[in-house]
Amino acid sequence: DTEVTQTPKHLVMGMTNKKSLKCEQHMGHRAMYWYKQKAKKPPELMFVYSYEKLSINESVPSRFSPECPNSSLLNLHLHALQPEDSALYLCASSQSSLAGGYYEQYFGPGTRLTVT
Amino acid sequence: AQSVTQLDSQVPVFEEAPVELRCNYSSSVSVYLFWYVQYPNQGLQLLLKYLSGSTLVKGINGFEAEFNKSQTSFHLRKPSVHISDTAEYFCAVRRSSGGSQGNLIFGKGTKLSVKP
Repeated sequence: DTEVTQTPKHLVMGMTNKKSLKCEQHMGHRAMYWYKQKAKKPPELMFVYSYEKLSINESVPSRFSPECPNSSLLNLHLHALQPEDSALYLCASSQSSLAGGYYEQYFGPGTRLTVT
Repeated sequence: AQSVTQLDSQVPVFEEAPVELRCNYSSSVSVYLFWYVQYPNQGLQLLLKYLSGSTLVKGINGFEAEFNKSQTSFHLRKPSVHISDTAEYFCAVRRSSGGSQGNLIFGKGTKLSVKP
């Protein structure tokens, strides 16, 4: 099973709402990632978790709050978003090693977020 | 820092014709190189990767790419395209040293449109 699942597929939220995006994988991967992809643009890395600890935060505004409650699950909590935050949010996972090397990132289908 | 330039934003081509999608990169350190494909409303799928060794890399769906260190290029080719190859293609780079969950830096993408 090489599947990364993301829910919901689509989300529309107002600027005062609080919502969460969910990502799940059962491949035993210990690294999980959040990317943001604006329309007609490449994905941009937001956060990386390695062994359930936040290892990379690409200077993302605090209105985005990631959480990794266990090795299979990654959440992205959203609060007080702006219309310009509307985008496709992609989750990915990979094996992880502090010793380096390469492990393929497997991407989920994404959650398309619209902020009104 | 690393960067990726995809020289063509759109490439229209007729079915069964050959295609080349161009990618150049810039880096002061050794890198890994990747091509990803994104079909409409889907996540990213890895087509092929260059880590080391042979500079000609073969991937899925009949695609191949050649790493040229002197020209810092990693162009993607397919000898005969199908309608189903219509998608967005992203070239990506990441440093080969450091932790295994290194950042993927994506190019802006090339939209391949295959016409009957």
